[in-house]
Amino acid sequence: GENVEQHPSTLSVQEGDSAVIKCTYSDSASNYFPWYKQELGKGPQLIIDIRSNVGEKKDQRIAVTLNKTAKHFSLHITETQPEDSAVYFCAASKRSGGYQKVTFGTGTKLQVIP
Amino acid sequence: DAGVTQSPTHLIKTRGQQVTLRCSPKSGHDTVSWYQQALGQGPQFIFQYYEEEERQRGNFPDRFSGHQFPNYSSELNVNALLLGDSALYLCASSGGDGYTFGSGTRLTVV
Repeated sequence: GENVEQHPSTLSVQEGDSAVIKCTYSDSASNYFPWYKQELGKGPQLIIDIRSNVGEKKDQRIAVTLNKTAKHFSLHITETQPEDSAVYFCAASKRSGGYQKVTFGTGTKLQVIP
Repeated sequence: DAGVTQSPTHLIKTRGQQVTLRCSPKSGHDTVSWYQQALGQGPQFIFQYYEEEERQRGNFPDRFSGHQFPNYSSELNVNALLLGDSALYLCASSGGDGYTFGSGTRLTVV
C-alpha cells in the first residue's frame, strides 16, 4: 500500500520567516495531494491541494510543489505568522476501485515564534 | 452551511465496554470515512462508508464496526474497549476528491 513520509516532525521559525515541510510517497498511482492544518482540539482543515498534472500551486502565503518523478511534494509558507502555529499533515490520494484512498503523513508541528 | 458534526466531543469509557460515536456529514457529501488519531500521530484510516455499505477498511480489528444511514450520517462502534483505543476519532465526509473533517471525538479508556 501507499506509504507517506513527512519531515521534519517539528519546526520552529521566527515570525516573518519561511517554513518548508516535505513529504515523499511510494505509490506512483497517487494523483491528488492535499495538505491539512490541525489546530489544538480541532479536526484537520484542508489548506491547499495539488493534482498530479500540476507542478506548483499558490494561494496567498501558501504554496505547494510536486515532483512526480521523485515522488515528493512540499508545502511552503512565507511570511509566517503566529496563527500559522499548528500541526500540518500531508496526504497522498488515489482512486481505487471507484473510491478514494487517502494516506496521511505523520505530521509536522510548526511553531512560529513572535 | 454546517460542516461535519461529530458527537459526543469527549467520552470516558471503562476497559471492556462498548462505545458508539456519531457523525453527520457536510451537506452534499455522501461518503463518510472514519479515522483514529493517536496523540502526536497522523490520522489512521479505519473504514469508509458509501451508499450504506462499508467499501474499504484499514488495518483495524473486527471490534471496530460502523454503519451509514440513508441520510448519509454514520456511526462508529467499538466493542470490548482496550486502553490502546484511547484516541481522537475523526469523521471525514467527501463528495469528490477533498475531505472535510469534523472536530473529532476524544475517547479515553480507563
